[in-house]
Amino acid sequence: AQSVSQHNHHVILSEAASLELGCNYSYGGTVNLFWYVQYPGQHLQLLLKYFSGDPLVKGIKGFEAEFIKSKFSFNLRKPSVQWSDTAEYFCAVTDKAAGNKLTFGGGTRVLVKP
Amino acid sequence: DTGVSQDPRHKITKRGQNVTFRCDPISEHNRLYWYRQTLGQGPEFLTYFQNEAQLEKSRLLSDRFSAERPKGSFSTLEIQRTEQGDSAMYLCASSRPDYNSPLHFGNGTRLTVT
Repeated sequence: AQSVSQHNHHVILSEAASLELGCNYSYGGTVNLFWYVQYPGQHLQLLLKYFSGDPLVKGIKGFEAEFIKSKFSFNLRKPSVQWSDTAEYFCAVTDKAAGNKLTFGGGTRVLVKP
Repeated sequence: DTGVSQDPRHKITKRGQNVTFRCDPISEHNRLYWYRQTLGQGPEFLTYFQNEAQLEKSRLLSDRFSAERPKGSFSTLEIQRTEQGDSAMYLCASSRPDYNSPLHFGNGTRLTVT
């Protein structure tokens, strides 16, 4: 079965700092990878996704993620965070056998101080 | 796109009582998923439907849990004889059936069992 691990449970940053959140998954075959974000009081929203092609994917709100197959990783980055990026971030993976069913990591709670 | 709708937003119940939650997916989505999320954890898959057919159930879904999607539109999740360990956020998501279609989540139903 798939598993996804996110290295940091909590991250505290100041505005304009750079952000990088780690994500590793267990499956060795072809995968689709996602980052979802949950702002306080809101539902999970898709931030970006990787299916194939260029391993550097760009998402909404200036976020990007890099797929490194050899490291089973899909780390999320943002060069300069804003207070409004305060949220919980979830990495998720699915593979062809699982269809669209997502396996999520435990999440990283990010607090950006103004 | 009116989004995925879940009702109620909050439910407080006493141990031993039955509860039922409802999910209305995005209208053109024929896949519907139920997830459970506890504090500090990522969402865990419970079950999913394609149209009215329940295609997979997680081992997390004990006999006290049942989900239905009788007409292939809205879905209900019932928990019988609730236990304190059932306290969690119950999330519903929907998607198109193609492998690359991302999941769209509702706001969830927060269940508290006292």
